[in-house]
Amino acid sequence: QVQLVQSGAEVKKPGASVKVSCKLSGHTLSETPIHWVRQAPGKGLEWMGGFHPEQNEMIFEPKFQDRVTMTEDTSTDTAYMDLSRLTPDDTAVYYCATPSADFWSGYPRWGRGTRVSVSS
Amino acid sequence: QSVLTQPPSVSGAPGQRVTISCTGSSSNIGAAYEVQWYQQVPGTAPKLLIYGNHRRPSGVPDRFSGSQSGTSASLAITGLQTDDEADYFCQSYDNRLSGYVVFGGGTKLTVL
Repeated sequence: QVQLVQSGAEVKKPGASVKVSCKLSGHTLSETPIHWVRQAPGKGLEWMGGFHPEQNEMIFEPKFQDRVTMTEDTSTDTAYMDLSRLTPDDTAVYYCATPSADFWSGYPRWGRGTRVSVSS
Repeated sequence: QSVLTQPPSVSGAPGQRVTISCTGSSSNIGAAYEVQWYQQVPGTAPKLLIYGNHRRPSGVPDRFSGSQSGTSASLAITGLQTDDEADYFCQSYDNRLSGYVVFGGGTKLTVL
């Protein structure tokens, strides 16, 4: 049974960075890419990026490309999403999710989300 | 502004049938990228409801069905139940940015 366990809520000031973790169990990161999706309060889902196995590289939504870093620690099967230069518009719940085995059939598994609040 | 367009809300009485549309373009749904649908109860993570346009993961009731035609897709829910009240999101891929994931803005289903 694949499970994704995310780190706890964060409160940050504008201009700071936040690092959210997502620990995978039931599979290894080498078998299972991790993607990140966020949801601002009362808003829809917004894909941020993740590992694309066919391209063998991280791919990002362009609006985040210069602010986000996604890394993986295969020794602990933990993925990390680091978002810098935070603004209040980054206040959201950040989810990690695993793409389907063929990559092209959506996200069957999700973490419970990490709430990030950005306020001065 | 989401790449895929959904109606903000739909409603129906228990037992009725409702449909939720998802309109894209020639660079996503119209480019033969398949559509997924997710159900999200407020305060919880999204749950995959339909994948590959019309396929249901194990455990999803057959009251939920998906279809796709041209640049659009639809989710139909028959025999509405109060538990179906949730937000529903469509998702696909876009070849303007190869392999990129796109979502609809979401539709709030109210069971009257």
